[in-house]
Amino acid sequence: NAGVTQTPKFQVLKTGQSMTLQCAQDMNHEYMSWYRQDPGMGLRLIHYSVGAGITDQGEVPNGYNVSRSTTEDFPLRLLSAAPSQTSVYFCASSYSLWTGNYGYTFGSGTRLTVV
Amino acid sequence: KQEVTQIPAALSVPEGENLVLNCSFTDSAIYNLQWFRQDPGKGLTSLLLIQSSQREQTSGRLNASLDKSSGRSTLYIAASQPGDSATYLCAVQGEETSGSRLTFGEGTQLTVNP
Repeated sequence: NAGVTQTPKFQVLKTGQSMTLQCAQDMNHEYMSWYRQDPGMGLRLIHYSVGAGITDQGEVPNGYNVSRSTTEDFPLRLLSAAPSQTSVYFCASSYSLWTGNYGYTFGSGTRLTVV
Repeated sequence: KQEVTQIPAALSVPEGENLVLNCSFTDSAIYNLQWFRQDPGKGLTSLLLIQSSQREQTSGRLNASLDKSSGRSTLYIAASQPGDSATYLCAVQGEETSGSRLTFGEGTQLTVNP
């Protein structure tokens, strides 16, 4: 099925460990983004990309790195995990930054716990 | 900075009721507004998208309206069913001059009782 695929679904890290959250879409969407969802704070934008080779920071970028080498993939890297990064992470994509009538498509999320 | 508020935070209704979920936003310079549904432990499913030039959108038992000038949107659910139980999120996308990112409300948690 076409859509946004996130892996892994669940992950437990120790403080200081690094990891990469994977996001892939097969809809030829130019725009991809990462959000984190925390109780009482809603969804907040971490990083986004308007096309291959182009990335930019969102509202809460500290502690996270991204790259976009292909249209399909937009991995999110945690270089040194901290307990404050315990959250549910969502990847979202759209045809373009200006979504027109199509809106955003979200992945099913990665639940990350940092101990 | 855009702020999105959803009222009520939680709602419990008997099956068959018609109900209204409210969303308000502080900056009327929006490009579009989107309603999502989120089931526990799942991702977000897009329900309806309203462009800033539109007043409403309908899909099945769902109807969303937008009053851009007053900064309000409502999601109307007709003849509610237990399967409608979920959290409903409202998100606005700003115009370029006010930031193009999505800003989300915290959601309304809906429970429809059989």
